[in-house]
Amino acid sequence: DAKTTQPNSMESNEEEPVHLPCNHSTISGTDYIHWYRQLPSQGPEYVIHGLTSNVNNRMASLAIAEDRKSSTLILHRATLRDAAVYYCILRDGAGGTSGSRLTFGEGTQLTVNP
Amino acid sequence: NAGVMQNPRHLVRRRGQEARLRCSPMKGHSHVYWYRQLPEEGLKFMVYLQKENIIDESGMPKERFSAEFPKEGPSILRIQQVVRGDSAAYFCASSTQRGQETQYFGPGTRLLVL
Repeated sequence: DAKTTQPNSMESNEEEPVHLPCNHSTISGTDYIHWYRQLPSQGPEYVIHGLTSNVNNRMASLAIAEDRKSSTLILHRATLRDAAVYYCILRDGAGGTSGSRLTFGEGTQLTVNP
Repeated sequence: NAGVMQNPRHLVRRRGQEARLRCSPMKGHSHVYWYRQLPEEGLKFMVYLQKENIIDESGMPKERFSAEFPKEGPSILRIQQVVRGDSAAYFCASSTQRGQETQYFGPGTRLLVL
């Protein structure tokens, strides 16, 4: 499975935008970029995913570099509820079983200050 | 539509006992995944099942661990002769299809082995 690199921790203030980076220099052409987050004492929660184009949904935006070697998850206005560990995950879209499992790294612990 | 249900939420076992963890997927989901999160560590994939079939068990320990997803009823993760190192949070996720489909996670079962 292709590897991702994220900062261990980041801090933000409430109601400010947050940009969470992820490097994936060994990404293959069929890898999708997925983001999940895990709030304290809860199971992970899907945030967003994309392949090449930038993506938006009600939770966040995903900006993907043109060479696909990095991406950024954008929370437009952080709230206290957004404090969580954010995981950037590559999933193989080629159709094998490996693409079905999620390979979690260390993730980024986001702290949101009131 | 109820989410993924896991029970029990907390389970205490003594060394050598058996632990049975149950997971009821979301309605309409026929794919189930189990992940384990050891204390202060990241989430690790264990096994991927479809109804009555194990699709990928590459993350399962070779001994004492087994999983099933029968035609009727919940998926079961069974740990025989538990040891202290099995103490962890066990999360179940479900999806409608394999591949890039979003995985929806349950709240987890926290196993403590005394």
